[in-house]
Amino acid sequence: DAKTTQPNSMESNEEEPVHLPCNHSTISGTDYIHWYRQLPSQGPEYVIHGLTSNVNNRMASLAIAEDRKSSTLILHRATLRDAAVYYCILSQTASKLTFGTGTRLQVTL
Amino acid sequence: NAGVTQTPKFRVLKTGQSMTLLCAQDMNHEYMYWYRQDPGMGLRLIHYSVGEGTTAKGEVPDGYNVSRLKKQNFLLGLESAAPSQTSVYFCASSYHDEQFFGPGTRLTVL
Repeated sequence: DAKTTQPNSMESNEEEPVHLPCNHSTISGTDYIHWYRQLPSQGPEYVIHGLTSNVNNRMASLAIAEDRKSSTLILHRATLRDAAVYYCILSQTASKLTFGTGTRLQVTL
Repeated sequence: NAGVTQTPKFRVLKTGQSMTLLCAQDMNHEYMYWYRQDPGMGLRLIHYSVGEGTTAKGEVPDGYNVSRLKKQNFLLGLESAAPSQTSVYFCASSYHDEQFFGPGTRLTVL
């Protein structure tokens, strides 16, 4: 399976944009980039996913590099409720997800 | 819709005891999964099912058994619990593009 690399932790101020990076230099042509997040004491929840083009939904935006070797999850205005561990996962389908240790996002006032 | 529910929320077992964790989903999803999460780590897949009556091994299946007799339910069994099975267990179901997770079961084996 292709591997992803994420920073262990990041900090952000509330109401500021947050850019969470993910490197995946060995991504294959059929791998989708999935993002999940896990709030404290909860199960993970889906955030967004994409293949080649940038994607937007109500929660976030996903910017994918042209060579697909990296991507960035963008939270447009971080709130305290966005404090969580964010996982970047490569998979051809939603049924084959391998979770790493992710990026712990802290949001401060 | 309740989504994915898990029973129980907490449990303490003694070494050698057995128990069953129940996962239920009301979204008519074909795929269901059991994961475990140890402190400071990501989730690891124990077993999964691609439909009623089917099960398959994941990354860490040893010491666990599963059954999927009904489409909406996925049971995880520990026949003889060991302290190494102390963990938080998450169930999930999926349809097409995303997995939906339950709230977790915190299991401690003494």
